[in-house]
Amino acid sequence: DAKTTQPPSMDCAEGRAANLPCNHSTISGNEYVYWYRQIHSQGPQYIIHGLKNNETNEMASLIITEDRKSSTLILPHATLRDTAVYYCIVRVRSNDYKLSFGAGTTVTVRA
Amino acid sequence: GAVVSQHPSRVICKSGTSVKIECRSLDFQATTMFWYRQFPKQSLMLMATSNEGSKATYEQGVEKDKFLINHASLTLSTLTVTSAHPEDSSFYICSATDQGRGYTFGSGTRLTVV
Repeated sequence: DAKTTQPPSMDCAEGRAANLPCNHSTISGNEYVYWYRQIHSQGPQYIIHGLKNNETNEMASLIITEDRKSSTLILPHATLRDTAVYYCIVRVRSNDYKLSFGAGTTVTVRA
Repeated sequence: GAVVSQHPSRVICKSGTSVKIECRSLDFQATTMFWYRQFPKQSLMLMATSNEGSKATYEQGVEKDKFLINHASLTLSTLTVTSAHPEDSSFYICSATDQGRGYTFGSGTRLTVV
C-alpha cells in the first residue's frame, strides 16, 4: 500500500491561498490520490481526487507532479471555515476499495 | 451529491449493554461500506469492510464478535457494539461507495459507555 506523508500542521492567513503538500513516493500507476478534510467532530468531507492530471473543482485544485510521487492541494482563498484536518490518501490497490487514513495536516486559518 | 445518513449522532449506554449504529446511503447503492473508529486527536482507523450480502472483513486487531456488522441491503449497514465497555467509547464513522466511484462519509456517532 502506498503511504502518504504530510506535515502535521500549518497556518495560513484568511483570504490567502493555502498550499498543502503530500508525499506518496511509493504510489503505483493506477492508484488515485484523494483529499478529504475533517472539521472537528464531523465525518470527513470529500474535496478532490486525481490520477495523474491536475484537477480543479469548486473547492480546490490538485496538482500532481509528473512522476506522481507528490501532490499539492490548493485552497485558493482560505476562509476561517476551512480550518480542519486535511487528509491525503492513496487508494489501496485492491478490489475492496479501502480508504486508509494517515495522520493528516491540521490547517488553521487565521483572521 | 451522494448522501450517507448515520444514526444516532450521540449515544450513551451502560457498561455491558449493546449499541447499534445505522448507516444508510440515501441516494445511491452502496456496494461496499466501511466502518471507522476515531479516538480523540487521532486519525480514523479502519475497522472493517462490508459488502452487501457478504460477511464483513475485519482489520487486524478488531474483534469481530464484539463489533458485529450487517450489510443486508445496498442501502443499509449496521454496526453493533456488543457488551460495550468504557474503552469502547469513541467516535464511529461509516463510509459508503458504489464500486469505488466516490466515497461518502456519515456524520459520525459519538459513543460514550458509562
